[in-house]
Amino acid sequence: GESVGLHLPTLSVQEGDNSIINCAYSNSASDYFIWYKQESGKGPQFIIDIRSNMDKRQGQRVTVLLNKTVKHLSLQIAATQPGDSAVYFCAENSGGSNYKLTFGKGTLLTVNP
Amino acid sequence: SQTIHQWPATLVQPVGSPLSLECTVEGTSNPNLYWYRQAAGRGLQLLFYSVGIGQISSEVPQNLSASRPQDRQFILSSKKLLLSDSGFYLCAWSTGTREKLFFGSGTQLSVL
Repeated sequence: GESVGLHLPTLSVQEGDNSIINCAYSNSASDYFIWYKQESGKGPQFIIDIRSNMDKRQGQRVTVLLNKTVKHLSLQIAATQPGDSAVYFCAENSGGSNYKLTFGKGTLLTVNP
Repeated sequence: SQTIHQWPATLVQPVGSPLSLECTVEGTSNPNLYWYRQAAGRGLQLLFYSVGIGQISSEVPQNLSASRPQDRQFILSSKKLLLSDSGFYLCAWSTGTREKLFFGSGTQLSVL
């Protein structure tokens, strides 16, 4: 069925480097996408979202890019810090009256000092 | 500002015992409310969602049920827990459809 998945299950970076976490989605009707950060034993924390009428959105140290042609979503974290170490999930909503967010399996980001 | 409270943080229950997890939201009215379950190292699976008092939609057949007795209260229950009910349970709320969810801190349930 339709699903959201991640290219890389783990990513290890050096402190200060930029991180890029990728996500592929298969539902062409999806029009709203969200990135969440989840630290161990905690609930997911909202990072940034983007709607399908945009292809880029920036937040504080984070940028989300949406490529609808290839159904690809990415999260870029600038100047990665040890506190960024966590699992990152992408989620998508297929629109209409659909209340359901479909989550990917997550990418574990480890930041090495 | 809005806050979501979920308790308890951890719970160990024997097989066959009942379950009641509670979630409350403050600072907003008529939120959409959700229960998700997360298996270890996995993504989030939607169990139930509610768009209003007494309105519950179930996403997957299971041993669990949900209720919304008040506008900002969402309860997850079971009459008899199974081993397979173990997991990390997350309550969440949103302002409407196609909006970001805000999650509670989660309950780690271990059924032994």
